[in-house]
This record gives sequence, C-alpha cells and structure tokens, in this order.
Amino acid sequence: NAGVTQTPKFRILKIGQSMTLQCTQDMNHNYMYWYRQDPGMGLKLIYYSVGAGITDKGEVPNGYNVSRSTTEDFPLRLELAAPSQTSVYFCASRGLAGGREQFFGPGTRLTVL
Amino acid sequence: EDQVTQSPEALRLQEGESSSLNCSYTVSGLRGLFWYRQDPGKGPEFLFTLYSAGEEKEKERLKATLTKKESFLHITAPKPEDSATYLCAVQAKGTNAGKSTFGDGTTLTVKP
Repeated sequence: NAGVTQTPKFRILKIGQSMTLQCTQDMNHNYMYWYRQDPGMGLKLIYYSVGAGITDKGEVPNGYNVSRSTTEDFPLRLELAAPSQTSVYFCASRGLAGGREQFFGPGTRLTVL
Repeated sequence: EDQVTQSPEALRLQEGESSSLNCSYTVSGLRGLFWYRQDPGKGPEFLFTLYSAGEEKEKERLKATLTKKESFLHITAPKPEDSATYLCAVQAKGTNAGKSTFGDGTTLTVKP
C-alpha cells in the first residue's frame, strides 16, 4: 500500500492564481482531512469528509474548496491565491475500524508571491 | 472548545539524557489522546493512542502516560535519531468524523 499520496510536493503561485492540491489514499478509509501547518505551529483543519459526496468545513475554510467524488480522492482547491495561504498542506485519512489515529501524506509546500 | 497546549516549545538534550514532554488538554469528554512524530519536511507519523487516565504505552525509548488533564511523553536515554517534532492531539467524545485538535508541538533535538 502506498498509503496517502499528495501532489505536487512544492508549488509557487502568484497572487490571484488558482490551483488544486491532489490527495489519494489506497486504504479504503472513509474519513479524509485537509490541514495546513504554518511554521512552528500545529495543524489547523481546513475541510474534512466522512465519505464520498460528503464534505464539511473545519476551523479555517475560507479561500478553499473541496470535493469527494470517490472514496480514494480528496482534492483541495485554492481559488484566488493570497500570501496568507503560504503554508504546508497535509492530507490525512482514517478508517472506521481499528484505532482512531490518522494517516498523513508527505505534504505540499505552497508559496504565494 | 477543545484546547491542547504542549510544553516546552523546544527541548535540547544530550544523548542519553532522559526527559519528558508535556501535553495539557481541555476537552468536554476524551475519546482519545494521540502522539505523533514529525520529521522535518514530512507528514506526522502516528506513535500512540491513550484512551483513559492511568493508561501507559511504550515503544522503544518512548513511553506515553495519561492523566485526566495531561499526557507526558517520556524519552529514556534518547539518541540523535529521536530528534523530531512531537505533536499531541485530542479527540472529544461526540466529535463528528473523528476530528482531532492538535497542539503546536515540541521540537526535540538530541546532540551526540
């Protein structure tokens, strides 16, 4: 199993540009999450999903959108990028069975100039 | 609102010098407390889950303990490869979708 994969690893955007961060998991997990992590800080929840077709806002959703058309994929869309969105973005997933821990992807480092 | 506070922010140890990291939490009802390890430039990696006060979990040089208000991550005779940021997170009972609240982490540096 590859676990949780994210693309791209790095990206530089200009103010006002848009992009989609991709996240895929191959563990058949129902729950998926998007976090951002600013330097020296913990993880802030942007959006989450309990299954295909169901998404909801987390703590810091402004400026982002998500969709969940399949169990495996949970892309994060940035519209009209702003410098405040410069951060490292992590996708995570969690299954219904077993422990309640989350499994994280390697992250996408985004810079908005 | 659930809150997690980790201390210290940074900890520098000599190899072999044991110490503890603290995670204080406020939650309406605890479903689980999690410890993760995060290496620079990587995603967090799960270490332990603790469910109730008095519970302890061990893995190599790490031991996690839990009380009703805080958790400790004890590191015994650390090695340079234990250098990382350690994140604590809590999940409250009744939380939708298994969401967790994370602390800001403790960055541990172990010098040889």
